[in-house]
Amino acid sequence: AQSVAQPEDQVNVAEGNPLTVKCTYSVSGNPYLFWYVQYPNRGLQFLLKYITGDNLVKGSYGFEAEFNKSQTSFHLKKPSALVSDSALYFCAVRDRGSNDYKLSFGAGTTVTVRA
Amino acid sequence: EAGVAQSPRYKIIEKRQSVAFWCNPISGHATLYWYQQILGQGPKLLIQFQNNGVVDDSQLPKDRFSAERLKGVDSTLKIQPAKLEDSAVYLCASRHQDSSYEQYFGPGTRLTVT
Repeated sequence: AQSVAQPEDQVNVAEGNPLTVKCTYSVSGNPYLFWYVQYPNRGLQFLLKYITGDNLVKGSYGFEAEFNKSQTSFHLKKPSALVSDSALYFCAVRDRGSNDYKLSFGAGTTVTVRA
Repeated sequence: EAGVAQSPRYKIIEKRQSVAFWCNPISGHATLYWYQQILGQGPKLLIQFQNNGVVDDSQLPKDRFSAERLKGVDSTLKIQPAKLEDSAVYLCASRHQDSSYEQYFGPGTRLTVT
């Protein structure tokens, strides 16, 4: 079984401040990890992924995420948040050993960046 | 490259009526997914197709939901009869068969059942 937890329903930050969105995962084997962003009335947009290699992965719009195997975490970060980063963020996991390519999503974290 | 297309974008029906959603994946993407996203929750997989065959439909309420992907391209998801708890956004996603990684999502269809 695989699952994702996003412990914070909402994150509020001021523009220009660092942004962190937390994610922890559970898989029976090794994970593939993903972050997606959803703007109002839009589908999910892919931000970044961890497949293998360097634990720090960089993605779109200045976002990055760090894979921490010992803590089973994959937190999303941005050094300086913009008002336009306000959206709903989803973390997702797939067990690397599975053959069905099924993603399990967290419940989402709403990010609000105030001017 | 065109993205995943879905229609309609919005649909309002009364309970016990039927409804159908359409999805056109990215050209060349062999794998197609339908997700249900209830307000305040993450997307939940309903069904996964590989070409025109079903890979996983374990979470599909088969007494009322059905899906098909004739010719391995477009797909339709149908609900008959609809219940109030079916109110959600229905997302279609596709993935290239040579990529084990990210899925690409359409804009979704927001269904309201009254």
